[in-house]
Amino acid sequence: AQSVTQLGSHVSVSEGALVLLRCNYSSSVPPYLFWYVQYPNQGLQLLLKYTTGATLVKGINGFEAEFKKSETSCHLTKPSAHMSDAAEYFCAVSEDQGAQKLVFGQGTRLTINP
Amino acid sequence: KAGVTQTPRYLIKTRGQQVTLSCSPISGHRSVSWYQQTPGQGLQFLFEYFSETQRNKGNFPGRFSGRQFSNSRSEMNVSTLELGDSALYLCASSAKPGLPNTDTQYFGPGTRLTVL
Repeated sequence: AQSVTQLGSHVSVSEGALVLLRCNYSSSVPPYLFWYVQYPNQGLQLLLKYTTGATLVKGINGFEAEFKKSETSCHLTKPSAHMSDAAEYFCAVSEDQGAQKLVFGQGTRLTINP
Repeated sequence: KAGVTQTPRYLIKTRGQQVTLSCSPISGHRSVSWYQQTPGQGLQFLFEYFSETQRNKGNFPGRFSGRQFSNSRSEMNVSTLELGDSALYLCASSAKPGLPNTDTQYFGPGTRLTVL
């Protein structure tokens, strides 16, 4: 079964600094991989998805992720943090090609310091 | 296009009771999945329905059940509630095969269930 590890349950950066949220997955087969963001008292919003093709994927709100098969990683980055980026971020992989069953990491809470 | 809607948003029940949560997918979406989110266990897959049939099931006891109607709306039911069932229950929908983004799940705002 797939497993997902997000390194760091809590990340704190200054406004304007680089954001780097780490995600590693267990499968040797390139999965469908997703990053979601959750704001307080809300559901999950899709930031970006990796299915096949280009290894650098651009998402919404200035986020992007680089998929590295050799490292089984898909880290999320944003060049310059904004106060509105404070939220919880989840990495997820699909267990099937249709991506109807997602396995999530434990989440990383991002705090932005003014 | 309206997003995934879930009702009710908040619910308080007592141990031993049962509860039914409702989810309306994005118009045109045929697949509905349910997830449980708790501080301790994180986000865990409950089950997925497509065309009124359960296609996938997570590792939850039989007290957790669901169904899907012909209009793709879905309900999940939890019987004999336990304190540990307190959680945010999220519903997600995705398009049927052959349409764009069939591989992407779109989530609703969730139903916050508190069991006392």
